[in-house]
Amino acid sequence: QSVLTQPPSASGTPGQRVTISCSGSNSNIGGNTVNWYQQIPGTAPKLLIYNNNQRPSGVPDRISGSKSGTSASLAISGLQSEDEADYYCAAWDDSVKGYVFGKGTKVTVL
Amino acid sequence: QVQLQQSGPGLVKPSQTLSLTCAISGDSVSSNTAIWNWIRQSPSRGLEWLGRTYYRSKWYNDYAISVKSRITINPDTSKNQFSLQLNSVTPEDTSVYYCARTEMGSRFFDYWGQGTLVTVSS
Repeated sequence: QSVLTQPPSASGTPGQRVTISCSGSNSNIGGNTVNWYQQIPGTAPKLLIYNNNQRPSGVPDRISGSKSGTSASLAISGLQSEDEADYYCAAWDDSVKGYVFGKGTKVTVL
Repeated sequence: QVQLQQSGPGLVKPSQTLSLTCAISGDSVSSNTAIWNWIRQSPSRGLEWLGRTYYRSKWYNDYAISVKSRITINPDTSKNQFSLQLNSVTPEDTSVYYCARTEMGSRFFDYWGQGTLVTVSS
């Protein structure tokens, strides 16, 4: 099983706000930055949030990230149909000296 | 703009060696600021980081504990690419394999290859 824990699914209607949680431990989230990736089925993951709360160029500001202790969360406001995708959290883990990922959360726009 | 283009066979027999290549454009495999990674994804294992190679006056490699005894990642400076070799594969190694870049001082993957589905089957 994955080192980082995410809910398997989340959903909302257009315009709503959806939040995805990511729980880890002191060796990963607690001591390192968290990054989030969006994946449309059949394509490679795309960087969505880096260093806990930074957005790469081109990512809209209705998408935000935060971290507290050994947990992190991703929020999508003003939900749109194009937000239907799988979302993964990731961090460096000092114990295994490698990157660890969550199992992913599938976001559905109802 | 960095682009990563993967190539390699999509079918490998059990006990044989999986080999993939990632060709880099817009950056250099020998860059002192880039790190070159391999990651795989399967329904059962999710996303799994496999290892990385990078150059800082000399070449370094780091490998995930889960595959450390079977994996080799090599740079090819003449072709500006890097490769993945995974030995003694089993059906559990069936996955989509990705190459990806991180930059020195960061711990996120900013550029990804297109992915290669590798099936391990006789």
